[in-house]
Amino acid sequence: AQSVAQPEDQVNVAEGNPLTVKCTYSVSGNPYLFWYVQYPNRGLQFLLKYITGDNLVKGSYGFEAEFNKSQTSFHLKKPSALVSDSALYFCALPQPGNTPLVFGKGTRLSVIA
Amino acid sequence: EAGVAQSPRYKIIEKRQSVAFWCNPISGHATLYWYQQILGQGPKLLIQFQNNGVVDDSQLPKDRFSAERLKGVDSTLKIQPAKLEDSAVYLCASSLAVAGGRTQYFGPGTRLLVL
Repeated sequence: AQSVAQPEDQVNVAEGNPLTVKCTYSVSGNPYLFWYVQYPNRGLQFLLKYITGDNLVKGSYGFEAEFNKSQTSFHLKKPSALVSDSALYFCALPQPGNTPLVFGKGTRLSVIA
Repeated sequence: EAGVAQSPRYKIIEKRQSVAFWCNPISGHATLYWYQQILGQGPKLLIQFQNNGVVDDSQLPKDRFSAERLKGVDSTLKIQPAKLEDSAVYLCASSLAVAGGRTQYFGPGTRLLVL
């Protein structure tokens, strides 16, 4: 079965520093990969996705992600973290032949002023 | 463009009672999903509709959960009778079509507490 893994439950970073939220995947074939963010008491907001092409994907709010096939990773990055980036981040991919997403367990990002 | 709408936002019920959630997807989106998100976990699919037909309900506990999407637009998800372990956030999402690369857009969710 296709799956994603987020190895870190919590990531802490100082405001202004670069941030990385890690995601690895397991698929047969070429993957589609997504990042979503969830703020308290709100639904999931789409950040970015990788379908094909350029390995560096740019998304909303200054976030980007790098697809690395050899390391089966799709880490989320931002050059300079903001306190308002503090939220729960989910990596996800669709099941074969269908679109329901399978999500990682989530990584809580805390940006400290 | 209006997003995915859900109501109610919060619901508290006692076990063995019934509850219903409503979802209105983004206009023109043929595919609608219901996910269950238990605290501390990622969302998990309950059911997927394509227009008004069910595509995947393999993870829906059919002895207590039911869902419908009349006329291929709005959808309702019902739980009857509710159990304590049904306490979760129920998320509705929609996408233009069934295809792996399509982006799903989520509503704000309904937070259910079963006492």
